[in-house]
Amino acid sequence: QKEVEQDPGPLSVPEGAIVSLNCTYSNSAFQYFMWYRQYSRKGPELLMYTYSSGNKEDGRFTAQVDKSSKYISLFIRDSQPSDSATYLCAMIGISSGSARQLTFGSGTQLTVLP
Amino acid sequence: KAGVTQTPRYLIKTRGQQVTLSCSPISGHRSVSWYQQTPGQGLQFLFEYFSETQRNKGNFPGRFSGRQFSNSRSEMNVSTLELGDSALYLCASSYNSGSAEAFFGQGTRLTVV
Repeated sequence: QKEVEQDPGPLSVPEGAIVSLNCTYSNSAFQYFMWYRQYSRKGPELLMYTYSSGNKEDGRFTAQVDKSSKYISLFIRDSQPSDSATYLCAMIGISSGSARQLTFGSGTQLTVLP
Repeated sequence: KAGVTQTPRYLIKTRGQQVTLSCSPISGHRSVSWYQQTPGQGLQFLFEYFSETQRNKGNFPGRFSGRQFSNSRSEMNVSTLELGDSALYLCASSYNSGSAEAFFGQGTRLTVV
């Protein structure tokens, strides 16, 4: 079983829809939770990160972390065709060992249809 | 502020050859991590260098190695290339080791034929 599980999709939504992307994880040592966006043939771009449980909002993007359930989400409001990309969740812990490196989900491919 | 620069962008090599990839981190960042991205396995951690020292290593064979220079630039080397080494190799730059804020380069697309 992978440490981080993410539904690969693909996910297609109409423009303006609210998008929900999710990841689950098994390593309780993870403390920071990130979301990256990756366009085709590009490197991943850091969208936002949160520490421990809670919500964080940045424009149309909201990240949620529920450490008790080991579940994180990214919501995109008023989705745009330019949001079409692969979204990757990632996690890291500051303790030693395997948690001290970015561990990624497999990515969800999102298409926003005009 | 310049981003993370990886060179070359594309490489085609033959099985058995070796290859060296380069990564220049964001100015002031001292940590460089390397990842391999393939359609089947996703993004997998190779190793991290901080202040010229390898801090962490992923589960890859010894054919994969790296180093970091005093100016924080890093190189990774793959020897005795195999077809399965074909992938996008990404480096990530961060200010400190284990930082949540890691910024990626565009990657080097390696094809082994």
